[in-house]
Amino acid sequence: GESVGLHLPTLSVQEGDNSIINCAYSNSASDYFIWYKQESGKGPQFIIDIRSNMDKRQGQRVTVLLNKTVKHLSLQIAATQPGDSAVYFCAEKRNNAGNMLTFGGGTRLMVKP
Amino acid sequence: GAGVSQSPSNKVTEKGKDVELRCDPISGHTALYWYRQSLGQGLEFLIYFQGNSAPDKSGLPSDRFSAERTGGSVSTLTIQRTQQEDSAVYLCASSLNNQPQHFGDGTRLSIL
Repeated sequence: GESVGLHLPTLSVQEGDNSIINCAYSNSASDYFIWYKQESGKGPQFIIDIRSNMDKRQGQRVTVLLNKTVKHLSLQIAATQPGDSAVYFCAEKRNNAGNMLTFGGGTRLMVKP
Repeated sequence: GAGVSQSPSNKVTEKGKDVELRCDPISGHTALYWYRQSLGQGLEFLIYFQGNSAPDKSGLPSDRFSAERTGGSVSTLTIQRTQQEDSAVYLCASSLNNQPQHFGDGTRLSIL
């Protein structure tokens, strides 16, 4: 069925390098996308979101890119720090599904000192 | 506090018992959501409230699950006759309309 998914379950990067976490979605009716960071024992923490009328949005050290042609979403983290180590989830909201978010399976980011 | 508050943080109970989980949303947030997260998995949508009404109950896994919200604020998720497969982290989120959902730290439920 239609779903949001991630290419890599685990990503290991060196401290100071840039990280890129990818997400594929299959529902062209999705109009809103969001990235969350989840640390062990905590709830998901909002990082950044983007609406389907945009293809790029920047935050502090993070950038989200949306490619609607290939239904691909990515999260870029600049100058990755040990505190960035966590599981990252992408989620989509479909414009005919109220406010429900559909989550991908998550990517674990490990930052090596 | 300023964030979403859930209680208890941990709950261990015997199979067949009923459990009640509580969520205090961020003050003023009209929308409230319950999700379930099994170990190492993504989040599974359960139910959504707009005010006190639940326009979307599609994610509730069985009739043993129910939820209510009163006064447009606190919500409780009740699981009757718990089964071992109900073991998971139950997460609550709240939002203003069309704004990002903000999550609590969840209730870790273990069914023995």
